[in-house]
Amino acid sequence: AQKVTQAQTEISVVEKEDVTLDCVYETRDTTYYLFWYKQPPSGELVFLIRRNSFDEQNEISGRYSWNFQKSTSSFNFTITASQVVDSAVYFCALSESSGTYKYIFGTGTRLKVLA
Amino acid sequence: DAMVIQNPRYQVTQFGKPVTLSCSQTLNHNVMYWYQQKSSQAPKLLFHYYDKDFNNEADTPDNFQSRRPNTSFCFLDIRSPGLGDAAMYLCATSRDLAVSYLARDQPQHFGDGTRLSIL
Repeated sequence: AQKVTQAQTEISVVEKEDVTLDCVYETRDTTYYLFWYKQPPSGELVFLIRRNSFDEQNEISGRYSWNFQKSTSSFNFTITASQVVDSAVYFCALSESSGTYKYIFGTGTRLKVLA
Repeated sequence: DAMVIQNPRYQVTQFGKPVTLSCSQTLNHNVMYWYQQKSSQAPKLLFHYYDKDFNNEADTPDNFQSRRPNTSFCFLDIRSPGLGDAAMYLCATSRDLAVSYLARDQPQHFGDGTRLSIL
């Protein structure tokens, strides 16, 4: 069965610390897509990154980086030198090629960055 | 800027009084979604439209209905809101590029949400 697990419910770090948010997924599909979204206190879900199952290259975008490992079914997200503006809930989501348009969301990780 | 716009940002209604939430998009995306998100939970898909084709999730209560009169607009109607329907309602869009149903790689773009309170 398809599933996304974000085991970290809440993480608190001090500004400028690095932090990694974990995402582990389960799927029987060989073709699938993984996404990370940020939800700040204002409520909107902001798309951060998409990764397909055939592309295991890690990606870096500014202070953000993503580590996709099919061998461990993980798609982890690291924020380097965290800032207060990074405080938000972060969701990992899975979309399967065999399914409908439904995202399978993880339960989210609340990140608090303290000044 | 092209975007997904939800109105109103906050909505208060009375128990049992019908309410309509609206969503518009300038992205010209063919797929539109409505999600319900309760506090400290992940968004839960209620239904989606693929063009004019309506797709209801099996566990979406009959109390929730939707209309999509054209590509740009989509409405969520709650016929008789109960206290348990108080939540954030999120509209999202995506573009399906595939001829078949094999590709699900396009990200969904979300509006700011409407926070619904029930008195």
